[in-house]
Amino acid sequence: NAGVTQTPKFRILKIGQSMTLQCTQDMNHNYMYWYRQDPGMGLKLIYYSVGAGITDKGEVPNGYNVSRSTTEDFPLRLELAAPSQTSVYFCASSFELSYEQYFGPGTRLTVT
Amino acid sequence: GESVGLHLPTLSVQEGDNSIINCAYSNSASDYFIWYKQESGKGPQFIIDIRSNMDKRQGQRVTVLLNKTVKHLSLQIAATQPGDSAVYFCAESSNTGNQFYFGTGTSLTVIP
Repeated sequence: NAGVTQTPKFRILKIGQSMTLQCTQDMNHNYMYWYRQDPGMGLKLIYYSVGAGITDKGEVPNGYNVSRSTTEDFPLRLELAAPSQTSVYFCASSFELSYEQYFGPGTRLTVT
Repeated sequence: GESVGLHLPTLSVQEGDNSIINCAYSNSASDYFIWYKQESGKGPQFIIDIRSNMDKRQGQRVTVLLNKTVKHLSLQIAATQPGDSAVYFCAESSNTGNQFYFGTGTSLTVIP
């Protein structure tokens, strides 16, 4: 299994541009999550999904959107990039509420 | 929101010594706690977890202690090795388990 994969690894955006961060897991996990990690900080939950077709907001959802059309994929959309969205983004998945989350390698995003 | 904090931002230990990383939390309703390890440039990796009905749990070279009275969590690493050098995060969740709140992390450096 590849586990949780994320693309791209790095991206630089101009203010106002949009992009989609891709996340795929091949472990047949029901739960998927998007976090952001600012320098020297812990992770903050942006959005999560408990199954295909079901998504919900986390702690910091403003400026982001998600969709979950399949079990495997959970893309994160930034519509109007702002400098405050400069961060490292991690996608994670878990089988159920057993809580052990498997993380992807992250996407480093810079908005200038 | 939740508050999960760590007592020390950095910790240096000699190779072979035991390491203790501490974490404080504020939500009395938190019922599940996780320790993650994050190496530079990588996503967090699950180390060990503990539920609120337990005081202690052991894994391979790691032990997590939970003191619900003072809302304190610790991670003990036995015979610390250079490969243990990383940032360690504690995280806690509410009863639903859908959202985790992460502390800022403790950077552990193992001196050969």
